[in-house]
Amino acid sequence: GQNIDQPTEMTATEGAIVQINCTYQTSGFNGLFWYQQHAGEAPTFLSYNVLDGLEEKGRFSSFLSRSKGYSYLLLKELQMKDSASYLCAVRDDNQAGTALIFGKGTTLSVSS
Amino acid sequence: DAGVTQSPTHLIKTRGQQVTLRCSPKSGHDTVSWYQQALGQGPQFIFQYYEEEERQRGNFPDRFSGHQFPNYSSELNVNALLLGDSALYLCASSLWGDSRPNTIYFGEGSWLTVV
Repeated sequence: GQNIDQPTEMTATEGAIVQINCTYQTSGFNGLFWYQQHAGEAPTFLSYNVLDGLEEKGRFSSFLSRSKGYSYLLLKELQMKDSASYLCAVRDDNQAGTALIFGKGTTLSVSS
Repeated sequence: DAGVTQSPTHLIKTRGQQVTLRCSPKSGHDTVSWYQQALGQGPQFIFQYYEEEERQRGNFPDRFSGHQFPNYSSELNVNALLLGDSALYLCASSLWGDSRPNTIYFGEGSWLTVV
């Protein structure tokens, strides 16, 4: 079956670094996405990995190991506005229009 | 350039009733996907429409049905509502065959409460 696991909640302080882990078991693999979702709002795209390694984008980085079915999102220099839910999602097929399989999300609370 | 628009924003229905939710994709997009997001959960894929046909379907009962119109907009219909159908319903638009990661756009969603 399809399964994506990530921690339910995490807390951190302003200025710190936090790593949100995601493990997945899917029938296929064609990319892993990270989205940020503030309460009551639409998910917004943060990062994407399809090959092993680290992708860096400003304060956000994402890592992928396909052999281990593992990814993490790294958030540096945390700000209060980073308090949100972070969703890990896998596209499990390379066919056109393939849907995303989401994890349950990790709620990150940043305190001062 | 309008993004993904969904309506209504919020609605309350009674068990057993039927509901229709609407989505207009981002300009230039031709594919619409629907997701259900229960409180505290991640979005779950319901189905996807392209060229007015359902192309892919998740693990949802037949009470969930949809339609896509020639202008690419889409409707999600849910019959015989259950309390467990209470959720945020998200519409995502994209361009068929475009696998670039930052080309999937989500709408703000429709909050459905079943009482």
